Amino acid sequence: RKEVEQDPGPFNVPEGATVAFNCTYSNSASQSFFWYRQDCRKEPKLLMSVYSSGNEDGRFTAQLNRASQYISLLIRDSKLSDSATYLCVVNRRGRDDKIIFGKGTRLHILP
Amino acid sequence: ETGVTQSPTHLIKTRGQQVTLRCSSQSGHNTVSWYQQALGQGPQFIFQYYREEENGRGNFPPRFSGLQFPNYSSELNVNALELDDSALYLCASTSSPVSTDTQYFGPGTRLTVL
Repeated sequence: RKEVEQDPGPFNVPEGATVAFNCTYSNSASQSFFWYRQDCRKEPKLLMSVYSSGNEDGRFTAQLNRASQYISLLIRDSKLSDSATYLCVVNRRGRDDKIIFGKGTRLHILP
Repeated sequence: ETGVTQSPTHLIKTRGQQVTLRCSSQSGHNTVSWYQQALGQGPQFIFQYYREEENGRGNFPPRFSGLQFPNYSSELNVNALELDDSALYLCASTSSPVSTDTQYFGPGTRLTVL
């Protein structure tokens, strides 16, 4: 089992719809969590950090469930510009193998 | 723009050669991490440098090595290149090695090994 797993998609969603995807992690020593967005042939950019209490940034909501070891991302009122790959990132304690990216979930917003 | 720059943008090498990739961190950042991203995969952590010392390493062989300079810029060196080393190499800088800090990525170097 991979340490960080994401459904690769693609998720094909009509504009204006709500979409959600999860990311599961296997190491309970995981310490901090992030969602990054990566456009085709570009570098990843931080979308949002994920806090235990859950957090919202405009149309985006992130949740962390430590008991079940997953994080989620919800996008409301999706826009064409939301089309991208969404990468889940888990940082864990320790010196080595401490920053783990998921493979990413591809999202296509359809007009 | 993040202020993190990488050079070169693209590179073509042949098997067995050696390559050096460069990264300039964002102003005020003292920590640089390097990643390998193969096509269709997420970035894989190679190693991290903090104040000129290696501060953690991923599951990569010793032929992947690095340096960080007093101005916090960094180099990734790969010896004895293999076909599977073809990938996008990303560097990211942070203001500290604390795990909660946001990483700012450079645009990457696309390496092709023939």
